[in-house]
Amino acid sequence: EAGVAQSPRYKIIEKRQSVAFWCNPISGHATLYWYQQILGQGPKLLIQFQNNGVVDDSQLPKDRFSAERLKGVDSTLKIQPAKLEDSAVYLCASSSAVEQFFGPGTRLTVL
Amino acid sequence: AQSVTQLDSQVPVFEEAPVELRCNYSSSVSVYLFWYVQYPNQGLQLLLKYLSGSTLVKGINGFEAEFNKSQTSFHLRKPSVHISDTAEYFCAVRDSGGYQKVTFGTGTKLQVIP
Repeated sequence: EAGVAQSPRYKIIEKRQSVAFWCNPISGHATLYWYQQILGQGPKLLIQFQNNGVVDDSQLPKDRFSAERLKGVDSTLKIQPAKLEDSAVYLCASSSAVEQFFGPGTRLTVL
Repeated sequence: AQSVTQLDSQVPVFEEAPVELRCNYSSSVSVYLFWYVQYPNQGLQLLLKYLSGSTLVKGINGFEAEFNKSQTSFHLRKPSVHISDTAEYFCAVRDSGGYQKVTFGTGTKLQVIP
C-alpha cells in the first residue's frame, strides 16, 4: 500500500513570495490533514478535510494561507505572501478511521 | 478543549537501559491517546494507540504505554533501548467520536548514549 506522498520535500523562498505544497493521501482515505511543525514544537493542525469539505480550519491564518481538496483526493496548501515565521515543516496526513498516516513533510525556509 | 503536556523536552539514556517518556493530558470527554515517533527529516510514525479496553498497550519496536485515567497520564516505556531509538517522540490526544482534531504535545527528544 502506497503511503502519503508530498512534494516538494524542500523549498526555500524569500519573504513576500508565494509557495504551494501538494499532498496525495492514501487511496480511499476520506480525511486529510495539513499540519505546521515549527522547529522544537509539536505539529499544529492547520486544516482538516472530510472528503472535499472543510471540517476544521480554526488555526489556519486565512489572510495568507489557503487550501483546497478538489474531488476529495489530493490537496494543495498555499501561502501568499510568505513571512519569516512561516519557516516550518508542513506535514500532510490522511486517515480512514482513527489512525493518521503521515507523509514525509515539506521543509519550508523563508529568507 | 484538550491539551497535552510532555514535561521532558530531552531524555538522555544509556543503551540497554530502561526509559520512560511522560505524557499528561486534559480533556472533558473520553479520549483516544497516541504515541508517535519522528526520525530526522521524516514524517510521524504511529508507535501505539489507546482506544479502549486494556490500559496497557503494546506497540512497535518493543514500546508500551499505560493509560491511567485517574492521573490523566499515558507514559511511554521501553525496558531496554537501542541506538536506533534515538528520535523525537510525540504524545497526542483526540476526543473520541466525530471528526475531532488531534492535539500533539511539544515532543521529547530521546538520545540513546552508546
